Amino acid sequence: LAKTTQPISMDSYEGQEVNITCSHNNIATNDYITWYQQFPSQGPRFIIQGYKTKVTNEVASLFIPADRKSSTLSLPRVSLSDTAVYYCLVGAQAGTALIFGKGTTLSVSS
Amino acid sequence: DSGVTQTPKHLITATGQRVTLRCSPRSGDLSVYWYQQSLDQGLQFLIQYYNGEERAKGNILERFSAQQFPDLHSELNLSSLELGDSALYFCASSVGPRGQNTIYFGEGSWLTVV
Repeated sequence: LAKTTQPISMDSYEGQEVNITCSHNNIATNDYITWYQQFPSQGPRFIIQGYKTKVTNEVASLFIPADRKSSTLSLPRVSLSDTAVYYCLVGAQAGTALIFGKGTTLSVSS
Repeated sequence: DSGVTQTPKHLITATGQRVTLRCSPRSGDLSVYWYQQSLDQGLQFLIQYYNGEERAKGNILERFSAQQFPDLHSELNLSSLELGDSALYFCASSVGPRGQNTIYFGEGSWLTVV
């Protein structure tokens, strides 16, 4: 199971772009990279998933370099409501536990 | 709304007691996961079931047990409860058993042991 490493916390201001990088040096060939967002007292919510290069949806972009040993979640023009914990997960093979790390606590200020 | 339903939403019980938390996965999802989140702690993986069979096990205490029924709902049983078991328990579901399947979380069951 690929272990992930993220910054513990990040601070930003409203309107700025935020990039959160996750390291996953031992990612397996078949593993996907998935990011989740969690607000206090709520279950994590899927943000975006990718395998390689770049993926974009209505809320975020995910950049994955060719070696796939890291990934960067990009949140454009954050608002106060983006204050949350962001988790990077690397897909586990069937039969192994899907582990959430400590995530990155993003604090957005006005 | 993720489509994952958990009951009860809140539960207060005494030490030594036993409780059962219930989870109904999203329609069509065969895999169910249970996680525990204590105050200021990360999400601790407990156990995963896929189509009725246990697929992966985390740091689940022996006092805890779970199962997935033929209708795919799941129950997490917590017995001989201790104060430290007070936490938010999440159920999640996905279509398949693999990590790249998107996982959808319920709103959680708040357990307070007094």
